[in-house]
Amino acid sequence: DTGVSQDPRHKITKRGQNVTFRCDPISEHNRLYWYRQTLGQGPEFLTYFQNEAQLEKSRLLSDRFSAERPKGSFSTLEIQRTEQGDSAMYLCASSSRFGGLSAEAFFGQGTRLTVV
Amino acid sequence: GENVEQHPSTLSVQEGDSAVIKCTYSDSASNYFPWYKQELGKRPQLIIDIRSNVGEKKDQRIAVTLNKTAKHFSLHITETQPEDSAVYFCAARLSGGSQGNLIFGKGTKLSVKP
Repeated sequence: DTGVSQDPRHKITKRGQNVTFRCDPISEHNRLYWYRQTLGQGPEFLTYFQNEAQLEKSRLLSDRFSAERPKGSFSTLEIQRTEQGDSAMYLCASSSRFGGLSAEAFFGQGTRLTVV
Repeated sequence: GENVEQHPSTLSVQEGDSAVIKCTYSDSASNYFPWYKQELGKRPQLIIDIRSNVGEKKDQRIAVTLNKTAKHFSLHITETQPEDSAVYFCAARLSGGSQGNLIFGKGTKLSVKP
């Protein structure tokens, strides 16, 4: 499968626990994005990487959230001390350096987080 | 920052009819406007996009129009089919600097009745 892959697909955790999600972008895509989507809403931007550099962070990304892309390939999103309001689908997307900022963003299947 | 408004939130049409979904954006620096289709439980998938230097783009039964002056863009689906039923999201991306993210509308749930 050459698409964007995310792991795990589903995660149930107790409030207060830490969780980490992984995203593997399409090979050679240098741009990687994290979004959060709740039921009935559009994806909300969280953060954006170009290669290993985190160039943009949304105000939605509180101190409990951190994202990394250490080698410019896969990325991880960690949520510390999870709260029930963190329950959502976390989507990763990637795009090529070709086409500039209008390059298509391809989404992964997402990780559905449920905080109980 | 950028804000994208999308209307209507739900749309029901008869098979064969046309469907139109409209979006407005707030930041005139936005220069890229994709439309995504998301079926239940699946990932958003790009169906068509338009850049700010183009006023209209068509791909078979799907077309997108952009009015930069009014800061709005629309998705047009003709000859709708039941498999067009899904949630459609418009989005806008700012140009310049390190801006890379897409700002999405809240989505339109399209139902095509056979």
